[in-house]
Amino acid sequence: NAGVTQTPKFQVLKTGQSMTLQCAQDMNHNSMYWYRQDPGMGLRLIYYSASEGTTDKGEVPNGYNVSRLNKREFSLRLESAAPSQTSVYFCASSDYTGLAGTETDTQYFGPGTRLTVL
Amino acid sequence: GNSVTQMEGPVTLSEEAFLTINCTYTATGYPSLFWYVQYPGEGLQLLLKATKADDKGSNKGFEATYRKETTSFHLEKGSVQVSDSAVYFCALSPDYKLTFGKGTLLTVNP
Repeated sequence: NAGVTQTPKFQVLKTGQSMTLQCAQDMNHNSMYWYRQDPGMGLRLIYYSASEGTTDKGEVPNGYNVSRLNKREFSLRLESAAPSQTSVYFCASSDYTGLAGTETDTQYFGPGTRLTVL
Repeated sequence: GNSVTQMEGPVTLSEEAFLTINCTYTATGYPSLFWYVQYPGEGLQLLLKATKADDKGSNKGFEATYRKETTSFHLEKGSVQVSDSAVYFCALSPDYKLTFGKGTLLTVNP
């Protein structure tokens, strides 16, 4: 049981290049999330998928697209990378069922992808 | 909207010292409250959580109590160890999404 896995661990891009960050979970969770972490900013939600087949914007969606490929996988794409997208990206999942204040609202995080855009 | 404010770091303590990291929140409804920990070079791990007012979450010697009257969820540990050195994030979740504080870096010296 690997939990949440992310690939790659590290990536360096040039401005304007594109790439896709991959995320997979083996906990049969319904919901998946992409965050970025920047110094002094905490984690900010980029996009999320409450269930298979749905995606919604989070706090900072500009410059990103996502695909919920199936229940296990949720990818994040940068179509034209910019230096402002240099960050550490985390994927997370939860089994949220719509009942706040239950065990299902706990999110489980992957190890992160460190992206540098030159 | 929802927001979390936690004390700014960095916090530096000697081993066996008492730790408090303050966290206050603003939220609609009745969110769950969390503390996550991030060790160097790793992702976030859930440290503890509380789902309703007056609940106390605890794990690995850390504790936090959900105080609705003061909208707070302060993290405490009676005797810290070098291995507790990490970044600690307070967060809330009224629904699908987590809202995080900015994180507090804790360094514990031997």
